[in-house]
Amino acid sequence: DAGVIQSPRHEVTEMGQEVTLRCKPISGHNSLFWYRQTMMRGLELLIYFNNNVPIDDSGMPEDRFSAKMPNASFSTLKIQPSEPRDSAVYFCASSLYSTGELFFGEGSRLTVL
Amino acid sequence: TQLLEQSPQFLSIQEGENLTVYCNSSSVFSSLQWYRQEPGEGPVLLVTVVTGGEVKKLKRLTFQFGDARKDSSLHITAAQPGDTGLYLCAGEDSGGSNYKLTFGKGTLLTVNP
Repeated sequence: DAGVIQSPRHEVTEMGQEVTLRCKPISGHNSLFWYRQTMMRGLELLIYFNNNVPIDDSGMPEDRFSAKMPNASFSTLKIQPSEPRDSAVYFCASSLYSTGELFFGEGSRLTVL
Repeated sequence: TQLLEQSPQFLSIQEGENLTVYCNSSSVFSSLQWYRQEPGEGPVLLVTVVTGGEVKKLKRLTFQFGDARKDSSLHITAAQPGDTGLYLCAGEDSGGSNYKLTFGKGTLLTVNP
């Protein structure tokens, strides 16, 4: 079975540009999470969707960040405008239920110059 | 805010040695998960411990949940180069937000042949 699929794997952009990260969760999973990983702060939860509905976006850093889940098989995380401090690895994860094992994608490494 | 402290931050050992890494908090967790993350990949679940004092074994890996459900340890016997990776512990909120996992920053283990 296919795991969580993220794209792009790597993104290098300049400050001020819009960045869109994409995620396809595992089929049948009803919970989707976006995490950000940095050396300084580790893994941080940005937003949690349950049955395509955003439940908790308290981890979204600021208004420059937005996330959508238009259907059960697709989600996006958008940063507009991007800043150098947004440089990190962004992970999408899905799970069968709201609790339990998280299945992570391979991550999108973002570098903002 | 619940915090998980992992120690040591870095560990470099020779093949065949034993090691223990720790995950500590002042907060109580409903359960605790251990993940291993290899370079360029997302974290992969190793085990979940739920009951205070619980011990789980996964081949050469032994996981223990503290009696008070505030801490955990991972012991590896006869480490092998394939054990190299970032070991992350993640606690499930014991309050209402049980979907919210708090991740430690991890222990980066290198096993040299």
